[in-house]
Amino acid sequence: SQTIHQWPATLVQPVGSPLSLECTVEGTSNPNLYWYRQAAGRGLQLLFYSVGIGQISSEVPQNLSASRPQDRQFILSSKKLLLSDSGFYLCACNRDSREKLFFGSGTQLSVL
Amino acid sequence: AQKVTQAQTEISVVEKEDVTLDCVYETRDTTYYLFWYKQPPSGELVFLIRRNSFDEQNEISGRYSWNFQKSTSSFNFTITASQVVDSAVYFCALAHVNSGGGADGLTFGKGTHLIIQP
Repeated sequence: SQTIHQWPATLVQPVGSPLSLECTVEGTSNPNLYWYRQAAGRGLQLLFYSVGIGQISSEVPQNLSASRPQDRQFILSSKKLLLSDSGFYLCACNRDSREKLFFGSGTQLSVL
Repeated sequence: AQKVTQAQTEISVVEKEDVTLDCVYETRDTTYYLFWYKQPPSGELVFLIRRNSFDEQNEISGRYSWNFQKSTSSFNFTITASQVVDSAVYFCALAHVNSGGGADGLTFGKGTHLIIQP
């Protein structure tokens, strides 16, 4: 079965600093990859999804970006973090986009 | 546009009570998938169930059961004889199935925080 590695587990960054969260997947090839954010008191929000290398779709306009340099690697980035970027970020994948999602353990990002 | 509403922000019950978590969704799609996920304090999301919009049969898995009512756009989740380990945030989600047969990612509700008191 698929395993998702996501790091770091927690991150504290100052406003205006860059961000790079990495997610790698094992146990499958050519997965669909997703980045979700859970802000405090809110549900899960889909940020980006990717169906293949270099193919990124954005669901919500923001100062975040995503890249997929390799088949099983998905990176979430920002050039300058905002306070509103604080939240819990989850990487997820599945082999078929209609199938259940497998989630990573998440990154708790605090922007101060 | 899709929308998933979990009106219950927090539910607190005593152990062994039955509890139902509500989920109401909105979609213009005729074909879609519905999911329930559990998020324990550790933060990871645990898949519980996926339901195809064509299948309105209720499902039971141990102490868990799901009631899918397409007529009311609801997909409620019931835990029977609740246990302290059931304490978590539960998310209902909806997947849009596009013209190519794939889905564009899940739309989640805001979650229901379930507290089971001993």
